[in-house]
Amino acid sequence: GAVVSQHPSWVICKSGTSVKIECRSLDFQATTMFWYRQFPKQSLMLMATSNEGSKATYEQGVEKDKFLINHASLTLSTLTVTSAHPEGSSFYICSARAMGRSGNTIYFGEGSWLTVV
Amino acid sequence: GDSVTQMEGPVTLSEEAFLTINCTYTATGYPSLFWYVQYPGEGLQLLLKATKADDKGSNKGFEATYRKETTSFHLEKGSVQVSDSAVYFCALSNAGGTSYGKLTFGQGTILTVHP
Repeated sequence: GAVVSQHPSWVICKSGTSVKIECRSLDFQATTMFWYRQFPKQSLMLMATSNEGSKATYEQGVEKDKFLINHASLTLSTLTVTSAHPEGSSFYICSARAMGRSGNTIYFGEGSWLTVV
Repeated sequence: GDSVTQMEGPVTLSEEAFLTINCTYTATGYPSLFWYVQYPGEGLQLLLKATKADDKGSNKGFEATYRKETTSFHLEKGSVQVSDSAVYFCALSNAGGTSYGKLTFGQGTILTVHP
């Protein structure tokens, strides 16, 4: 079964509105989560690293004020797309880093399809 | 910066056919290489990985060999099944320590296997 749950899977919103996407680690604590975005026919691109209890680290070219990341607990990171624009219609997917005795393991969520109309 | 180029799809095969999905990369240093698979409605799952040159990753009948001289990590399977239908992503990681988990992905290849 899934160990990282992402919600919602599909969302349609109007241009100019905000949308929140959640990423939850279900049976482990994740101090670090990652958010990726994929435009049609392009690669999954890392947007930001989400750190529990501190500010997210954004990749170059990602607008921080348009993609707000909150990692307020050890099992939940949220990505809020503010003032959504049709050009921002995209696939968003998160991953969470689980630390274990044998090393770190990365688990991905199911992804979220955002369509802005 | 680092990049991954993956064979464009979609790829459509008959059951028991041979599969190759090409993947080449550009990176500094000595990255780790991965293949991820995403089945419909599910998250990305690690299929296999290789952490150094000439390593061969294998899982569920899939194989890929880390070729530093050709900067490639092609995915192969000798006999595909309908259940292998999914999206396959090639990826690399050059990040360790606190940045472990940051991946650079290819664009993904959709594989459809018909009975």
